[in-house]
Amino acid sequence: SQQGEEDPQALSIQEGENATMNCSYKTSINNLQWYRQNSGRGLVHLILIRSNEREKHSGRLRVTLDTSKKSSSLLITASRAADTASYFCARDLNRDDKIIFGKGTRLHILP
Amino acid sequence: EAGVAQSPRYKIIEKRQSVAFWCNPISGHATLYWYQQILGQGPKLLIQFQNNGVVDDSQLPKDRFSAERLKGVDSTLKIQPAKLEDSAVYLCASSILQGSNEQFFGPGTRLTVL
Repeated sequence: SQQGEEDPQALSIQEGENATMNCSYKTSINNLQWYRQNSGRGLVHLILIRSNEREKHSGRLRVTLDTSKKSSSLLITASRAADTASYFCARDLNRDDKIIFGKGTRLHILP
Repeated sequence: EAGVAQSPRYKIIEKRQSVAFWCNPISGHATLYWYQQILGQGPKLLIQFQNNGVVDDSQLPKDRFSAERLKGVDSTLKIQPAKLEDSAVYLCASSILQGSNEQFFGPGTRLTVL
């Protein structure tokens, strides 16, 4: 399968804690993106990290990329109830802007 | 800036019936995508348009699915005839041009085939 694999499939943490999700893939990439999906706002782009970058920040989000291990992680710091959603990594294979989504991690923030 | 518009939001049909979904991308976005998302899975690309031309339709079940983007703006996706396994959310996305990568998604159409 070309899909990336997110790990874990599901994660429940207390509000205020940090959440870490991982994504592994098999083929070389041009860049890797993370998306969030919840019932309120649909599927939304969070952050893009290029293959020559190792780390990127956006607000409470931190993304790392290790191309030698073909893996990426998404860290959400100081989680909030509104972070409850499914998170997907999407790999850009540098072929006509086609991106391949993984199966996602379902994150639940407990009050 | 208006987002990607899709209609209808929900559709229930019986197997072997036909159904059509409509998408209006963000103004000025040349690239348009249709995805199928089955419950519990990530979106799977069905077809990608660049203006009114097809870039990739390798995952589109062409015996029953068809899509068009005649004027390079809005698009329709049709299923004829529908099967039970077509029950899913159909997402439309657009991006401004090749190389921009970030895709903007519509709210989706949830299809239930009985």
